[in-house]
Amino acid sequence: GENVEQHPSTLSVQEGDSAVIKCTYSDSASNYFPWYKQELGKRPQLIIDIRSNVGEKKDQRIAVTLNKTAKHFSLHITETQPEDSAVYFCAASIQGGNNRLAFGKGNQVVVIP
Amino acid sequence: DAGVIQSPRHEVTEMGQEVTLRCKPISGHNSLFWYRQTMMRGLELLIYFNNNVPIDDSGMPEDRFSAKMPNASFSTLKIQPSEPRDSAVYFCASSLDSPPSYGYTFGSGTRLTVV
Repeated sequence: GENVEQHPSTLSVQEGDSAVIKCTYSDSASNYFPWYKQELGKRPQLIIDIRSNVGEKKDQRIAVTLNKTAKHFSLHITETQPEDSAVYFCAASIQGGNNRLAFGKGNQVVVIP
Repeated sequence: DAGVIQSPRHEVTEMGQEVTLRCKPISGHNSLFWYRQTMMRGLELLIYFNNNVPIDDSGMPEDRFSAKMPNASFSTLKIQPSEPRDSAVYFCASSLDSPPSYGYTFGSGTRLTVV
C-alpha cells in the first residue's frame, strides 16, 4: 500500500523566513497530493493540493512542488507569520482506492516572533 | 453549507460504558471517513464508507468498535465497551469522489476521554 513520510518532524523558523516541508511517497500511481494544516485543538483543513499533471502550484504565500520521478512533494511557506504555527499533514492518493488518501505523520511548524 | 458536523464535541465516560459518536457529512458528498488521532499514532483511518456502504474497515481496532451509515446524511461510530486506551480525538471527514476535487473536509472532532 501507499506509504507517506514527512521530514522534518519539527521545524522552527524565524518570523518572516521561509519554511519547507518535504514528503515522500511510495506508490508511483498516486496522482493527487493535498496538504492539510491543523492548528492546536482544531480540525485539519485543506490548504493546497496538486495533481500529478502539474509540477507546481501557488496560492499567495504557500506553494507546493511535485517531483514525480523522485516521488516527493514539498510545501513552501514564504514570509512566515505566527499564525502559520501548526501541524502540517501531507497526503497522497491511494491507487484503486477511489479518493482514499494516505496521510503522513505530520510536521510541527513553529514560527518564532 | 455548515461543513461536516460532529457531535458531541467532548465526551467523558467511564470505562466499560458505551460511547456513540455522530457525524453528518457535507450534503452531496458520497465518501465518509472516520479517523482517530493521538499523539503517538497520528491520524489513523478507522473505516471508510462510499455511497453509504462500508468499503474498508481494516483500521477498526477490534470488535468493540462498530460503525454504521444508515443514509447519506448520517453516520455513527460506536465503542462498546469503552477502555481508557480509546481516549483520543475522533474525526469524521467527507469528500466527493469525482473531479475537480478529492479533498477531504474534516469535522471539528469529538474529544473522547475514558476514565
